[in-house]
Amino acid sequence: AQSVTQLDSHVSVSEGTPVLLRCNYSSSYSPSLFWYVQHPNKGLQLLLKYTSAATLVKGINGFEAEFKKSETSFHLTKPSAHMSDAAEYFCVVRPSNYQLIWGAGTKLIIKP
Amino acid sequence: DSGVTQTPKHLITATGQRVTLRCSPRSGDLSVYWYQQSLDQGLQFLIQYYNGEERAKGNILERFSAQQFPDLHSELNLSSLELGDSALYFCASSVAENNSPLHFGNGTRLTVT
Repeated sequence: AQSVTQLDSHVSVSEGTPVLLRCNYSSSYSPSLFWYVQHPNKGLQLLLKYTSAATLVKGINGFEAEFKKSETSFHLTKPSAHMSDAAEYFCVVRPSNYQLIWGAGTKLIIKP
Repeated sequence: DSGVTQTPKHLITATGQRVTLRCSPRSGDLSVYWYQQSLDQGLQFLIQYYNGEERAKGNILERFSAQQFPDLHSELNLSSLELGDSALYFCASSVAENNSPLHFGNGTRLTVT
């Protein structure tokens, strides 16, 4: 069965420090993987996607994620957090069918 | 701006009523998805259309229905509304049926009183 686990419901970091949002997936196939961000009272925006090309994927706003097949992980990172990064982040798996499987989300809190 | 337009932004209605949420996909996108986001259930996939045809169904209640019109806009109809239907309803669109990223609208916030 396909599934996505975001290991932390909340992550709190200080402005200027690195961000790590963890995501593990389970898929019988070679999936496509995505990270979406949702700012308060806004829709979801695509941050980045992995579709079996380079394993290190660069996204918008300085975020990147690395696909590690051996660890079935797709963690999201950013070297230096900014106040505007405060939002909820969703890891998404797309097995080779129509549906997306969404993680439960991780709320990123940035401390000044 | 994602290019996906949802109307209305807010909707307040009473239990038992029926509402229609509307979505215009990004120009060129053929696929439309509907999602429900509530505090206790998280983001739930409801239904997907591609070029006017239903493609996939998720956790959509029988009281809910949707369609995609020839001009590719979509409507989500919610009837016999209950308090628990209060949520943010998102529409998303993508170019293809699968393996392409979704572009989300800003959602319609439905409050059932």
